[in-house]
Amino acid sequence: AQSVTQLGSHVSVSEGALVLLRCNYSSSVPPYLFWYVQYPNQGLQLLLKYTSAATLVKGINGFEAEFKKSETSFHLTKPSAHMSDAAEYFCAVSPTGRRALTFGSGTRLQVQP
Amino acid sequence: DAGVIQSPRHEVTEMGQEVTLRCKPISGHNSLFWYRQTMMRGLELLIYFNNNVPIDDSGMPEDRFSAKMPNASFSTLKIQPSEPRDSAVYFCASSLGGSENEQFFGPGTRLTVL
Repeated sequence: AQSVTQLGSHVSVSEGALVLLRCNYSSSVPPYLFWYVQYPNQGLQLLLKYTSAATLVKGINGFEAEFKKSETSFHLTKPSAHMSDAAEYFCAVSPTGRRALTFGSGTRLQVQP
Repeated sequence: DAGVIQSPRHEVTEMGQEVTLRCKPISGHNSLFWYRQTMMRGLELLIYFNNNVPIDDSGMPEDRFSAKMPNASFSTLKIQPSEPRDSAVYFCASSLGGSENEQFFGPGTRLTVL
């Protein structure tokens, strides 16, 4: 079964620093990949998605992710962290032929002033 | 559009009681998903419907859980009888079209079973 692995359950950065959240997928066929963000006591919101159109995907709030087939990775980055980026981030895969998402375990991002 | 609507937002009940969670998807969406979020297991799919038909219910924990989608604008998730281990946040999401499309999530129902 296709799955995603998020390295690091907690990441802490200073305001203005680079944000890097890691996600690796397991699939012999490139799947559809997503990053969602969850703010406290809220539902999930899509940040960006990879659907094979382009390997570098830009999303909302200045986030982007690069699909690297050779590394089976889809890491999320943002050049400069803002306090409002503090949230939990989930990488997810939509397995071939199945519309439901399989989520990673999530990474909680803290942004220090 | 109001987005995905879930009710209630919070539910506290006693073990053994029946619990019904409700979801109204975004108008025009043809897929509906129920997910459960816990600290131990993270986010996991319970069931999803396509055009009101259950497609994959392999995530439904056991016979105590049941889900229905009588029409395109309404779905329920029922737990009977409820147990403390069912305590979690239950999310409903909807989408239009294929696997590559965004799922829109509701705000969730926080269920506490005492």
